[in-house]
Amino acid sequence: DAGVTQSPTHLIKTRGQHVTLRCSPISGHKSVSWYQQVLGQGPQFIFQYYEKEERGRGNFPDRFSARQFPNYSSELNVNALLLGDSALYLCASSLQGTDTQYFGPGTRLTVL
Amino acid sequence: KNEVEQSPQNLTAQEGEFITINCSYSVGISALHWLQQHPGGGIVSLFMLSSGKKKHGRLIATINIQEKHSSLHITASHPRDSAVYICAVIDSNYQLIWGAGTKLIIKP
Repeated sequence: DAGVTQSPTHLIKTRGQHVTLRCSPISGHKSVSWYQQVLGQGPQFIFQYYEKEERGRGNFPDRFSARQFPNYSSELNVNALLLGDSALYLCASSLQGTDTQYFGPGTRLTVL
Repeated sequence: KNEVEQSPQNLTAQEGEFITINCSYSVGISALHWLQQHPGGGIVSLFMLSSGKKKHGRLIATINIQEKHSSLHITASHPRDSAVYICAVIDSNYQLIWGAGTKLIIKP
């Protein structure tokens, strides 16, 4: 079975642009969580979706938004990119969101 | 004060040594994760605990809910165990709150 997949692997954008990151969970998993990991720091929770509804949100500005589709895949959108948005964005899936999370390889975003 | 604290921040040991990494948390949790992150960012979930003790190969994780403390032990450590080990707790808002990680280096 395929694990959690994320696309793209790497992305370079300039300040002010918009970016969409994608995540496909493990088959059968209904929950997807997004995390931001800035270089040298631990991951920070951004969102959790379960059954297509937002169930949890971290301390991130409204420039960050996400959604979950009927097939449980998810998109993370970031508008008006700032240099500080440069980070590794990790997606994790789980059956219900409160159980073991399985992480994707991440998308490395660089904002110039 | 961080809600999840790990110690030590850095640990260097010789191959074969017994390793202990500690995690203390200050929030109410439904479960605690131990995760392993290798250079390049890949994260692997090692354990999820809500009570007691779990063992997988040379890895052992324990949690004491009353004391809000968990430990990760590695027996017969090996250079391939070198990685960052992260403790993370699931709070009542389904947030996974991460510790800062412990960078472990095992020398041959």
